[in-house]
Amino acid sequence: KQEVTQIPAALSVPEGENLVLNCSFTDSAIYNLQWFRQDPGKGLTSLLLIQSSQREQTSGRLNASLDKSSGRSTLYIAASQPGDSATYLCAVGEAGNQFYFGTGTSLTVIP
Amino acid sequence: NAGVTQTPKFQVLKTGQSMTLQCAQDMNHEYMSWYRQDPGMGLRLIHYSVGAGITDQGEVPNGYNVSRSTTEDFPLRLLSAAPSQTSVYFCASSSLAGTQYFGPGTRLLVL
Repeated sequence: KQEVTQIPAALSVPEGENLVLNCSFTDSAIYNLQWFRQDPGKGLTSLLLIQSSQREQTSGRLNASLDKSSGRSTLYIAASQPGDSATYLCAVGEAGNQFYFGTGTSLTVIP
Repeated sequence: NAGVTQTPKFQVLKTGQSMTLQCAQDMNHEYMSWYRQDPGMGLRLIHYSVGAGITDQGEVPNGYNVSRSTTEDFPLRLLSAAPSQTSVYFCASSSLAGTQYFGPGTRLLVL
């Protein structure tokens, strides 16, 4: 069974700092990986989707990379802002339409 | 374009009662799924569907039923509620292998 781990569980940074969130998975036979943000009491908002054939995706200040062979993905956030404070989740998609989520990294950006 | 909608937002049940959580999407997505989110455990896939008339089990299907009679709707039925089913339930939809879009969630409390 796929295991998805996100480290650290919580992160606090001053505004303006660049930061990296990590996601690791145990089975490299994936067909995509998706990063989400979740605000307290809300649903999930998709940030970036990386297909298994891709190495990275970028959207604005966000860049996500994927290394299937090592079972790792990183989400890079440039010039962090207080509005980036949320929980960030990664989800691994496998053949057979099974998806596995990590438990998330709770990010606080201090003004 | 409403995206993914879920009703109700909040529900309290007594042990043994049954209920249906509603989910609808207006994006003509083939894939729909149900997750539950519990503290410290992340989101876990309950059931999913790749099209009308087709459903399959996820990681934690016991105690739940689904059906998919139309592309738009994917209700989740709790047959006999148990306190262990207290959770936040999310519905999601996507094109096959595409970005998943989540609903706002249903908070369920089983007494």
